[in-house]
Amino acid sequence: AQSVTQPDIHITVSEGASLELRCNYSYGATPYLFWYVQSPGQGLQLLLKYFSGDTLVQGIKGFEAEFKRSQSSFNLRKPSVHWSDAAEYFCAVVGSSNTGKLIFGQGTTLQVKP
Amino acid sequence: GAVVSQHPSRVICKSGTSVKIECRSLDFQATTMFWYRQFPKQSLMLMATSNEGSKATYEQGVEKDKFLINHASLTLSTLTVTSAHPEDSSFYICSAREWTLQDGYTFGSGTRLTVV
Repeated sequence: AQSVTQPDIHITVSEGASLELRCNYSYGATPYLFWYVQSPGQGLQLLLKYFSGDTLVQGIKGFEAEFKRSQSSFNLRKPSVHWSDAAEYFCAVVGSSNTGKLIFGQGTTLQVKP
Repeated sequence: GAVVSQHPSRVICKSGTSVKIECRSLDFQATTMFWYRQFPKQSLMLMATSNEGSKATYEQGVEKDKFLINHASLTLSTLTVTSAHPEDSSFYICSAREWTLQDGYTFGSGTRLTVV
């Protein structure tokens, strides 16, 4: 069965510092991978997605993620964090099947120190 | 881009009553919609998948008679929480998918349900 693990429940970084949020997935074939961000009491906004091709994916708000098949990872990065990036981040996976169910990781709460 | 409108954003109801939550795709046709439940500071738990014109597929452990899902058109899916109880209080989020997986998923802004 597909699964997603985000090992870090909570991360605190200083404003301007770089950021990396980890995501590991479990899926037999090539997965479709997503990163979403959620502000308190809000829905989810798509940051970026990977389906195939270039393994380094650029997203909105200066985020990028790299798909590494050998490590079953899809880590999210940002070179310089802004205070407005404080939020909950979710990694998600869906298999290339007709069910199309999106499976979410546990989420990582990002806190940004001034 | 694709927009999903979810209403209401917040609702308080009395125990034993029913509440309906609507999820509309505004500028695209959603063949598939998903309903999630999210507890405070936790991840999204998929409750059910609904396809237009057919019965919803519920995840294991989700009571289909309590959480009624209707997907009568390509732009509207509804979730009705029947005979609500305080333990049903939660944040409910819908998501809509366009024709293919690669079209991606768009999420509504969520509904905070409080049962008193």
